[in-house]
Amino acid sequence: DQQVKQNSPSLSVQEGRISILNCDYTNSMFDYFLWYKKYPAEGPTFLISISSIKDKNEDGRFTVFLNKSAKHLSLHIVPSQPGDSAVYFCAAHRGNNNDMRFGAGTRLTVKP
Amino acid sequence: DTEVTQTPKHLVMGMTNKKSLKCEQHMGHRAMYWYKQKAKKPPELMFVYSYEKLSINESVPSRFSPECPNSSLLNLHLHALQPEDSALYLCASSRVLAGGITDTQYFGPGTRLTVL
Repeated sequence: DQQVKQNSPSLSVQEGRISILNCDYTNSMFDYFLWYKKYPAEGPTFLISISSIKDKNEDGRFTVFLNKSAKHLSLHIVPSQPGDSAVYFCAAHRGNNNDMRFGAGTRLTVKP
Repeated sequence: DTEVTQTPKHLVMGMTNKKSLKCEQHMGHRAMYWYKQKAKKPPELMFVYSYEKLSINESVPSRFSPECPNSSLLNLHLHALQPEDSALYLCASSRVLAGGITDTQYFGPGTRLTVL
């Protein structure tokens, strides 16, 4: 069952512009959401997270927004850089049962 | 330091072989995880250890056998695998907070397994 969905398999953005990656979830029991970045042949690298009690978390160029009523979160990268080109996975976590579910990933390409 | 190490980086094995994947972390994390990732798919949870005890087994075939010999090490023993088991095997670890809630997971680089 796909409890976490990333409906855009790919996104292409010009360097310096904003990248917006979207994620939807179905399980209202998720209480913690994360974004991971993954390069080919490497493990996912933790990028940024947000607790379900917040609606925004910012870390440098990366901001994650959470809309609980819509069960939707998004990752904003601004300004986008060519080094940001990677696959981005959204993940949702239920902390009390050690369970984390990943979306299918969105491949971001930032063009110089 | 958020490093999780995995060995070997690549592994090729026959269907009759027995091999082991190893994972190590020195962050004091008490939860450790095995994931399997096929090409162009998200990581899929296989096993979770919390305080060296198996807490989740996501209906994984018995040809995969996890072991957590201590709080820093996690092994995955492989026996009689099938070609469809070829994938990237990822290890992760996280803190366990009050109430048994687990924190952000940090991943190793993975072992690329090919079963011939």
